[in-house]
Amino acid sequence: KQEVTQIPAALSVPEGENLVLNCSFTDSAIYNLQWFRQDPGKGLTSLLLIQSSQREQTSGRLNASLDKSSGRSTLYIAASQPGDSATYLCAGGTYNTDKLIFGTGTRLQVFP
Amino acid sequence: DARVTQTPRHKVTEMGQEVTMRCQPILGHNTVFWYRQTMMQGLELLAYFRNRAPLDDSGMPKDRFSAEMPDATLATLKIQPSEPRDSAVYFCASGLVGETQYFGPGTRLLVL
Repeated sequence: KQEVTQIPAALSVPEGENLVLNCSFTDSAIYNLQWFRQDPGKGLTSLLLIQSSQREQTSGRLNASLDKSSGRSTLYIAASQPGDSATYLCAGGTYNTDKLIFGTGTRLQVFP
Repeated sequence: DARVTQTPRHKVTEMGQEVTMRCQPILGHNTVFWYRQTMMQGLELLAYFRNRAPLDDSGMPKDRFSAEMPDATLATLKIQPSEPRDSAVYFCASGLVGETQYFGPGTRLLVL
């Protein structure tokens, strides 16, 4: 059974720092990998989707990479801002299905 | 700006009552998902549809939960009878096969 773990569970940093959030999965048969952001009391917002043929994706200050051989993905946030404060979730998809297995989340707080 | 909509946003009910949650997926999306989020279990997939056909409902307690898509613009999730352990936030998401999922704002359910 696929399990997805995120480290750290919580992170508090001053504004301006570069951050790395980690996601690891037990089954390397991951097909694609998505990173989401969730603000308190809100739904999830998709940040980046790494398809099976890709190794990384970039959007603005965000960069996500996927290493299937090691079963790991990282989300890099450059020059963090207070507006980045949220919970970040990774989710792995398996081949020929649209099902996503979600990680446990990293709660990020960026203070001014 | 196309969005997934969910109603109601909040629901408080008594144990044993029927609860119906509704979702309007983004027009043109052919996959629809129902998730449940709790502090203890995180985000869990309950059921999902492709082209209105149910593909997987293995995450759903069959004796009390049911999910349907009467048409392409409406997905429903029913709980009958509801129990206190059903208290959670229920999210609907929609997307295209193999692409990112777009989440609704959720229905926050409290069963007393």
